[in-house]
Amino acid sequence: EADIYQTPRYLVIGTGKKITLECSQTMGHDKMYWYQQDPGMELHLIHYSYGVNSTEKGDLSSESTVSRIRTEHFPLTLESARPSHTSQYLCASRTGGGGNEQFFGPGTRLTVL
Amino acid sequence: SQKIEQNSEALNIQEGKTATLTCNYTNYSPAYLQWYRQDPGRGPVFLLLIRENEKEKRKERLKVTFDTTLKQSLFHITASQPADSATYLCALGPKSGNTPLVFGKGTRLSVIA
Repeated sequence: EADIYQTPRYLVIGTGKKITLECSQTMGHDKMYWYQQDPGMELHLIHYSYGVNSTEKGDLSSESTVSRIRTEHFPLTLESARPSHTSQYLCASRTGGGGNEQFFGPGTRLTVL
Repeated sequence: SQKIEQNSEALNIQEGKTATLTCNYTNYSPAYLQWYRQDPGRGPVFLLLIRENEKEKRKERLKVTFDTTLKQSLFHITASQPADSATYLCALGPKSGNTPLVFGKGTRLSVIA
């Protein structure tokens, strides 16, 4: 079992609310990622970080922001949630160096009403 | 732009047969390729890594081949079981250390008893 945690696991909120999805890992990994995935669909990379104080946008345009102040913590924030944000959000991490496996968290299922 | 294709969205096979999944890519020169398994509602789990200078890797009932000339990887599950039913993702690994993995859309495998 990977030591990467996401909270909450499920969240139902109203439109316009600000939310933060938490992701923490205890493996000391320098690289962390956020993906968005609809049921039965492909993974879309929305943000990533390759170390403290580094953040990059992924392939999918997103209205979310991230921060990386500590190695183990990589929260994702939606300033104003919309129904189009309804999806599963997966956090992942890996250590530097070629070929190392990527560990995924259990995901947060977000529903915006 | 880089593109990664997995042979089909869904593959149905009879229990005991060998399942073969295909991953093709274009406009990319990966240093390695990884295969992941994803069950519904969960994050992907790493299965196997194969590097660009390797032709074949095996792990228990799993076998992966990698042909950098054809730009293709084949993933085999021998003596398949209903418990092997899941979505399988291939991922291309970059030569540059900080570039994220590029994931395919996945192939949904169903093993019928």
